[in-house]
Amino acid sequence: GAGVSQTPSNKVTEKGKYVELRCDPISGHTALYWYRQSLGQGPEFLIYFQGTGAADDSGLPNDRFFAVRPEGSVSTLKIQRTERGDSAVYLCASSPIAGGPLNEQFFGPGTRLTVL
Amino acid sequence: AQSVTQLGSHVSVSEGALVLLRCNYSSSVPPYLFWYVQYPNQGLQLLLKYTSAATLVKGINDFEAEFKKSETSFHLTKPSAHMSDAAEYFCAVSLGDNDYKLSFGAGTTVTVRA
Repeated sequence: GAGVSQTPSNKVTEKGKYVELRCDPISGHTALYWYRQSLGQGPEFLIYFQGTGAADDSGLPNDRFFAVRPEGSVSTLKIQRTERGDSAVYLCASSPIAGGPLNEQFFGPGTRLTVL
Repeated sequence: AQSVTQLGSHVSVSEGALVLLRCNYSSSVPPYLFWYVQYPNQGLQLLLKYTSAATLVKGINDFEAEFKKSETSFHLTKPSAHMSDAAEYFCAVSLGDNDYKLSFGAGTTVTVRA
C-alpha cells in the first residue's frame, strides 16, 4: 500500500500560534515515531507510540509539544504557543513492530514548519 | 547513551568514482546500525542495516557498509558513483532489541560531478 504520509507538507505560522501536524502511518504498523530535523542536522527523536499509547515522550522539548494517536493509526503532533526556534522539518515514521532487528522505520516526507 | 559521528558534511565525487562516507558510533551495548538516504523533497529511505549477522552488509543501489567493532565504525561505500546518488546520507544507531529510537548523525551531502 501507500507509504507514510504527512500533512501539510508546509506550514507557515506566526509566533504564538497553535499548529497541528498530521501523520498517516503505513497500514498495520503498530509503532509510530516523530522526529524533528533542524537545518543542517540529523533527525532528533521526539516521541514514540506503541498502539494508542505514548511509550516514550522523552524527546519532546517542553510542555508546548504534545502528540496523540487515539485509534492507534493516525497521529497528530500539536505545538502550542509556537516559537521561532520550533521552525524545522517534522518527520513521522512507522514500523511493523518496535525494537529489534526488524525495526525498519519507514519515513514520511515531513512537514516543514516555519514560525515567523 | 549512544551517538553517531559522520565525518565530512559534504563529499564531492566524480561520476564513476568510489563513494566513501564515514560513520563512527559510540554505544554501551552492541548496536544496530543503519544508513538512510534522503533525496530532495522525499522521506528518508533505508539503504542498509547491520543487526549483528554478517559484518559486511549489502544494501540497495550497490551500496555496502562494513561493521568494524574494533574501530567502532560503519562506513558506507559504493564502487562507482552515479549522478542519481546525489543526496544526503545519514548514519543512525539504535541500541538493540529493547530500543526503538534512532540516533542520527548530522548527515553527509553527496554531490556527483559529471
